[in-house]
Amino acid sequence: KAGVTQTPRYLIKTRGQQVTLSCSPISGHRSVSWYQQTPGQGLQFLFEYFSETQRNKGNFPGRFSGRQFSNSRSEMNVSTLELGDSALYLCASSLERQGGTEAFFGQGTRLTVV
Amino acid sequence: SQQGEEDPQALSIQEGENATMNCSYKTSINNLQWYRQNSGRGLVHLILIRSNEREKHSGRLRVTLDTSKKSSSLLITASRAADTASYFCATDEGGSYIPTFGRGTSLIVHP
Repeated sequence: KAGVTQTPRYLIKTRGQQVTLSCSPISGHRSVSWYQQTPGQGLQFLFEYFSETQRNKGNFPGRFSGRQFSNSRSEMNVSTLELGDSALYLCASSLERQGGTEAFFGQGTRLTVV
Repeated sequence: SQQGEEDPQALSIQEGENATMNCSYKTSINNLQWYRQNSGRGLVHLILIRSNEREKHSGRLRVTLDTSKKSSSLLITASRAADTASYFCATDEGGSYIPTFGRGTSLIVHP
């Protein structure tokens, strides 16, 4: 069974630009969550989607948004990029609601904002 | 905000020794999960322990949970160089089902 796939793996963007990251969860999983990981802040929860609906949202500005499609694939968008958005962005999928069962993570997208 | 906090922040041991990491949290939880992360890569799920469980085993891993002390420990027995990684605990803030992660314990196992 294929794992969680995140694309692209690496990305370099300029301040002010926007970026879209993609996550394909494990087949059959309906919950997809996004996390930002930085050395200073650790792993921070961004949002969770379940059956195309955003169920939970972390404490991030509105520049961070996401969506989930009917096939459970999810995208995350960051607009007006700032240097501080440089991070490893991780996507996790789980069968049920995040936290109720094991979450499986992708390899992440390393975003560098210059 | 960090719910789970791992201790110690860093641990350096020799191959064959046991490694113990602790996680403390603040509010009630439904379950607690432990993950491993190799340098700059995704997280690998190790064990999920529910709030009504006290101990779980998986291979060389042993996890305990003490809800009265709001703490959990991860024991890796007979460590190997390949166990070198960062280990995170994740707890769900009671009722929200959102796992929040601690800052992790960095484990180095010297061959």
